[in-house]
Amino acid sequence: NAGVMQNPRHLVRRRGQEARLRCSPMKGHSHVYWYRQLPEEGLKFMVYLQKENIIDESGMPKERFSAEFPKEGPSILRIQQVVRGDSAAYFCASSPRDSSGNTIYFGEGSWLTVV
Amino acid sequence: ILNVEQSPQSLHVQEGDSTNFTCSFPSSNFYALHWYRWETAKSPEALFVMTLNGDEKKKGRISATLNTKEGYSYLYIKGSQPEDSATYLCAFHQGGSEKLVFGKGTKLTVNP
Repeated sequence: NAGVMQNPRHLVRRRGQEARLRCSPMKGHSHVYWYRQLPEEGLKFMVYLQKENIIDESGMPKERFSAEFPKEGPSILRIQQVVRGDSAAYFCASSPRDSSGNTIYFGEGSWLTVV
Repeated sequence: ILNVEQSPQSLHVQEGDSTNFTCSFPSSNFYALHWYRWETAKSPEALFVMTLNGDEKKKGRISATLNTKEGYSYLYIKGSQPEDSATYLCAFHQGGSEKLVFGKGTKLTVNP
């Protein structure tokens, strides 16, 4: 059973470009979470999605960031008009149901560098 | 603002030493406490999910305890090995929310 798959692992974008990060959850998992790690900081929650629904986006910046988890295909975290401060590691996690005492499995992360 | 504190920030021990570190979290509205082991360039590996006050869990040489009333959890490693070198993260799960609030981790280095 493959783990949570993220791609690309490393992405370089110029300021103003768009970044798209993809996440395929573990097989059978319908709940996806995105976390961000800024330099010198811990992992910070961004958004929680179930298939076709955003359940909690309280950690998402108000502008330029969006996330989706379509019925078919991976979850996408999209950052428009990237700025240097968006440079970070973005981690996706998944669980088979809501996380009530259940393990949440993480991917290896996508490292975004904005130049 | 929820605060999860881990101490120490980093730790160097010799192979064979036993060690432990602490995770402090809010004692109100507790739902679960997660421990992860994280090696550089890899995905955080789930170690334990702890939900009940007084919980003790064990996985090989690693064990953890939980005190929800006072808001702390200890992670113990018995007979540390170089392959235990990693950052150990704890994450607090508050009731009514799906988000985990992570500490900054304890970076363990085990010298051969």
